[in-house]
Order: sequence, then structure tokens, then C-alpha cells
Amino acid sequence: EVQLVQSGAEVKKPGESLKISCKGSGYSFTSYWIGWVRQMPGKGLEWMGIIYPGDSDTRYSPSFQGQVTISADKSISTAYLQWSSLKASDTAMYYCAVGIVGATGGWFDPWGQGTLVTVSS
Amino acid sequence: EIVLTQSPATLSLSPGERATLSCRASQSVSSYLAWYQQKPGQAPRLLIYDASNRATGIPARFSGSGSGTDFTLTISSLEPEDFAVYYCQQRSNWPRYTFGQGTKLEIK
Repeated sequence: EVQLVQSGAEVKKPGESLKISCKGSGYSFTSYWIGWVRQMPGKGLEWMGIIYPGDSDTRYSPSFQGQVTISADKSISTAYLQWSSLKASDTAMYYCAVGIVGATGGWFDPWGQGTLVTVSS
Repeated sequence: EIVLTQSPATLSLSPGERATLSCRASQSVSSYLAWYQQKPGQAPRLLIYDASNRATGIPARFSGSGSGTDFTLTISSLEPEDFAVYYCQQRSNWPRYTFGQGTKLEIK
């Protein structure tokens, strides 16, 4: 069974750094893109970016370029999303998902269970 | 950036009725459009990809149609478990994927 398991909920203060994880299993982790999606409280889905763990090729949505860093460690089948300095507006649920269209990711299935990040002073 | 506009924002129907959800793109996305379902407290689930192909395990009551800028998700006869929020997503503009703002399908 293809599965993504994300790290647990985080509560942080503004200005702190954070790295959340997404561990893949049940498939060839290096052969499929992993995408990240933000969902702010009560709001819709926002596309953040995508990484190909095989060669760490990473692309960002213009809205998130420079705001977050996406990375992957293929030796442990894990992708990451990190912030160097959190803001209250980063409070959201963050999902990772497997991109199933070979060259570009494209469609995303399955998804991780989500990581809730709360940033508050 | 390709903007996807979904309508209506909320759709109120009863079980057994037919649901028709719309997604309109600001420019042509060919057939590169997908639909996702999200239930409260759950991650989204892929329903339809490439405009009209059902994902694995998705019941036949879900169907997608359209191309270019206008797309439709149809649920032929609503089951209680179908009441959720539905999002469309385009993959035409690599790597700048975008989602629609969602349609909430609620029980009337």
C-alpha cells in the first residue's frame, strides 16, 4: 500500500524555525514527485511546491518561493518542508502528496494525513 | 498564473439527487484538470484526473467532463458520504499548479 506519513502537530512562536516531514512507503520513493499543499484554517487548498526525490529537482509556486524550503532525503524516503522564521500567518494544515504523472507530478494521490502548524506568541 | 473559479460556492441537495459542480479556467488547460474530494478532518482524495478519468476505487456515480476552460464534475445520485468539499486542480501550467477555491456540497 502506498502511504505517506507526516510528522506530528507543532506549536511554535513567531521567528522560530521549523522542519516538518513526510515519509513515503510502499512504492519507489525516488521515482515519483512529492508535492506540498497548504490549507489555512477554514480555507481552500494552496499549491506550494514539488520535489523529485530521485535528483532533488525542486519547483515552487511563486507565492511560496523564498518563504519555505522543500527538500528530501532519499536514503530514508522522507521529504521535508521547512521555515527559517515563522510568522503567525503560517498557521495552517500542511499536506504532502505523491505526484502520479511521471515527468511533472501532475495529479496527487495519495496524500499524507497532514501536519498542523500553529504559530502564536 | 491560471485561475480556477468554481461554482457554486455552496450546493444544497438531498441524497439521491444529481449534483453538478463547475470549474472554469482563466485560460485553456486542455484536459489537464483533476477533481478532489475533502471531508471534514481528512486529507483530500483524488476523484477524477485528466478531466474525465476516475481514479482507482472511485465509484461510477462520479464522472467528469469538459476541456479547454470549462469543466464539470457530476455525481449522478448522491450518497450520504458524498457531502464534502470538492476542489478542481490544473496541471497545464507546470510547475505552477493551482486549485480552485472549492465547492461545498451540503445536505439540504
